[in-house]
Amino acid sequence: DIQMTQSPPSVSASVGDRVTITCRASQGISNWLAWYQQKPGKAPKLLIYGASSLQSGVPSRFSASGSGTYFTLTISGLQPDDFATYYCQQAHNFPLTFGGGTKVEIK
Amino acid sequence: QITLKESGPTLVKPTQTLTLTCTFSGFSLTTTGVAVGWVRQPPGKALEWLALLYWNDEKRYSPSLKNRLTITKDTSKNQLVLTMTNMDPVDTATYYCVHSSIAVAVQYSDFWGQGTLVTVSS
Repeated sequence: DIQMTQSPPSVSASVGDRVTITCRASQGISNWLAWYQQKPGKAPKLLIYGASSLQSGVPSRFSASGSGTYFTLTISGLQPDDFATYYCQQAHNFPLTFGGGTKVEIK
Repeated sequence: QITLKESGPTLVKPTQTLTLTCTFSGFSLTTTGVAVGWVRQPPGKALEWLALLYWNDEKRYSPSLKNRLTITKDTSKNQLVLTMTNMDPVDTATYYCVHSSIAVAVQYSDFWGQGTLVTVSS
């Protein structure tokens, strides 16, 4: 199985900040990567697929990049609605696997 | 509008078999390029992919759970059923039904159900 490692596990930030989360794959996955946002008690929401493609309806302050084994998700101008946990997921091989999550908290 | 909703028992005993049903609308599992599957999340922990069923009835399972999982569909009822045998307390989790399609890629879950919490305890 491909292991996905996210860092940091949590980050404290203020409204308006720029936040970057990283995700590393244990082997190359090309651009087969997704990012999800999950709020407490809610189902995850697809934000990014194909490593950098914004899902329909997702605000443009979310951006992502990467290929191979290293990926990043950036939130430019953090909004109150963005405080949540973010997960990466590799889609290169079955079984599909998720990272451990990064919680974005209010400073 | 695509919606999915999970239903099933909230409490099962160890060694019992869990059966969860996902009732969906807004799409058909007979449409080429559509897939529906299951993801779970133990309380306070990360997401874990379980299984995926394609429009052509091809199935994919998590290897670590493959011997315990079965995924089937009832296209006339727009339902997906997951059965998991020999339940254990470590299987306590919120179970999500998910949709995907080739519009994005079947490996990405673009719509999720609200989830159902299943507790395994005697």
